[in-house]
Amino acid sequence: GQQVMQIPQYQHVQEGEDFTTYCNSSTTLSNIQWYKQRPGGHPVFLIQLVKSGEVKKQKRLTFQFGEAKKNSSLHITATQTTDVGTYFCAGPRDTDKLIFGTGTRLQVFP
Amino acid sequence: NAGVTQTPKFQVLKTGQSMTLQCAQDMNHEYMSWYRQDPGMGLRLIHYSVGAGITDQGEVPNGYNVSRSTTEDFPLRLLSAAPSQTSVYFCASSFLGGDVEAFFGQGTRLTVV
Repeated sequence: GQQVMQIPQYQHVQEGEDFTTYCNSSTTLSNIQWYKQRPGGHPVFLIQLVKSGEVKKQKRLTFQFGEAKKNSSLHITATQTTDVGTYFCAGPRDTDKLIFGTGTRLQVFP
Repeated sequence: NAGVTQTPKFQVLKTGQSMTLQCAQDMNHEYMSWYRQDPGMGLRLIHYSVGAGITDQGEVPNGYNVSRSTTEDFPLRLLSAAPSQTSVYFCASSFLGGDVEAFFGQGTRLTVV
């Protein structure tokens, strides 16, 4: 079964509101990656977190890696219509395999 | 550089037909993989390869075959298509497996009727 779960599955927000998606793994991860997929597009790499408790920021996006390295979150401050898409977390399994989470689809209403 | 190129972009198959989805990358990446994307299921790993001549199964390998004769190419074969294989298929490549950024192709939308 799916080993990396994300919640929520869908989120609709008004432009300007904040948004958070959570990622939970059944096992400890050596690192966590985040990807964004625009509607009709392909996944595009956003960032990688490696250290326990690590926090990284990209403009309005804040990424966190849990202390136990089994969970992660992505927070978007003051969403814009350009943030629309599906956000995936992903982590390695057995080094060679990259396993993706179930994804959170974000819709932003102007 | 073209990156990861997938063909075709769209395909309709009848149940029982066979076809090959093509994937090529020009980044000299050793690692290549195939995913399928279905609503609510995220991206699920079908097969992957850590180098030419080496392939292995992912999470959902049944009904699919792969081979890796060159570093650049990693085709995915459906031997006898089934409606359950209706999905969007993505090919990805990376320099070092699951520990680094993966680069994705544009995807192939496959419908099996």
